[in-house]
Amino acid sequence: DQQVKQNSPSLSVQEGRISILNCDYTNSMFDYFLWYKKYPAEGPTFLISISSIKDKNEDGRFTVFLNKSAKHLSLHIVPSQPGDSAVYFCAASGWGSQGNLIFGKGTKLSVKP
Amino acid sequence: NAGVTQTPKFRVLKTGQSMTLLCAQDMNHEYMYWYRQDPGMGLRLIHYSVGEGTTAKGEVPDGYNVSRLKKQNFLLGLESAAPSQTSVYFCASSSVAVAKNIQYFGAGTRLSVL
Repeated sequence: DQQVKQNSPSLSVQEGRISILNCDYTNSMFDYFLWYKKYPAEGPTFLISISSIKDKNEDGRFTVFLNKSAKHLSLHIVPSQPGDSAVYFCAASGWGSQGNLIFGKGTKLSVKP
Repeated sequence: NAGVTQTPKFRVLKTGQSMTLLCAQDMNHEYMYWYRQDPGMGLRLIHYSVGEGTTAKGEVPDGYNVSRLKKQNFLLGLESAAPSQTSVYFCASSSVAVAKNIQYFGAGTRLSVL
């Protein structure tokens, strides 16, 4: 049973508009959430993270929102750029997990010029 | 900055053959991980290590063995390869001091077992 779910396999957005990628989780013991970006033939690259004690974290064009009651987080990219086209993975870890991450299946974002 | 380096980048094996994948990191990280990624799937943890000389099983450990004899290296072994082990393998490392949850990944090893 998937503990981290990304229900949209793909998303297409126009350049300059907002991209919103969603992630749901089932394990209430998760206390840290991360987003990774992956280009073809490369390893995942860390993008942004959020602790469960916060509900928002911002880094430039990237903002992650966490709704603990709904067990839902989202990544907002504003404005979207063609270079943002990649697969985005949501990941979660729990206290005492020794840093082990549980990954979602990923969402492929395409930003069209 | 090398970061996390995986060798080889590609490999084709016949069923029953053995091989070792090498992961090396130059960031002095304590924790190291091996994942596999299959088409349409997220990354799944095979084994991990929290320090030199220690290893532990992850979500999908069967058919794999690992060793961490040196802090900077983490080896993943397949003793008798099976077609089900065809996958892309990623190694990652993280620092306890900075943020153990933030893992840094290598570029991957694409393995095909025929």
